[in-house]
Amino acid sequence: SQTIHQWPATLVQPVGSPLSLECTVEGTSNPNLYWYRQAAGRGLQLLFYSVGIGQISSEVPQNLSASRPQDRQFILSSKKLLLSDSGFYLCAWISANTGELFFGEGSRLTVL
Amino acid sequence: AQSVAQPEDQVNVAEGNPLTVKCTYSVSGNPYLFWYVQYPNRGLQFLLKYITGDNLVKGSYGFEAEFNKSQTSFHLKKPSALVSDSALYFCAVRDTNTGGFKTIFGAGTRLFVKA
Repeated sequence: SQTIHQWPATLVQPVGSPLSLECTVEGTSNPNLYWYRQAAGRGLQLLFYSVGIGQISSEVPQNLSASRPQDRQFILSSKKLLLSDSGFYLCAWISANTGELFFGEGSRLTVL
Repeated sequence: AQSVAQPEDQVNVAEGNPLTVKCTYSVSGNPYLFWYVQYPNRGLQFLLKYITGDNLVKGSYGFEAEFNKSQTSFHLKKPSALVSDSALYFCAVRDTNTGGFKTIFGAGTRLFVKA
């Protein structure tokens, strides 16, 4: 069966510091992968999606970047964090057969 | 552009009563519609989906949703609410115009079920 892992689960970082959040998927190959951000426990904003290795589409201009160095690995990064980067970050992959998204458990980032 | 609206920030219902969480959508083609649930500090979990076929779809935990094309709605329902149903619910539409790569979410509706 497929599983998706995110880490770290929680992170507290100072303004101006770098960021790296990792997401890996097991049990499937060539998945479409997604990074969403959820602010204040409400709506989800699509940040990036990737349909293959090295292929990244950005939805919102921002302080963040994404990379996909391997088929089942998706990384969210920043060189210098802003206070507004605080939030709950969710990685997901989509089932080609059913169209539903499968989410990781999320990474909560607090920028101080 | 695809969009999803959840008009209620919060829905309160007594345990044992029926519940409805509303969702309307806007798409340019045939809609792929989904409901997800989120418990505190967790990722989202899939509840049910409509792609084609019967307008009434049944999902996990006794939930169902009715697709209404004329009203562009996809309301989530359950005949008898449980306290454990209290959570944040998201309606979503899959953007088929971009090859089905993007799923757009509503703002979410917080459901409170009182014992």
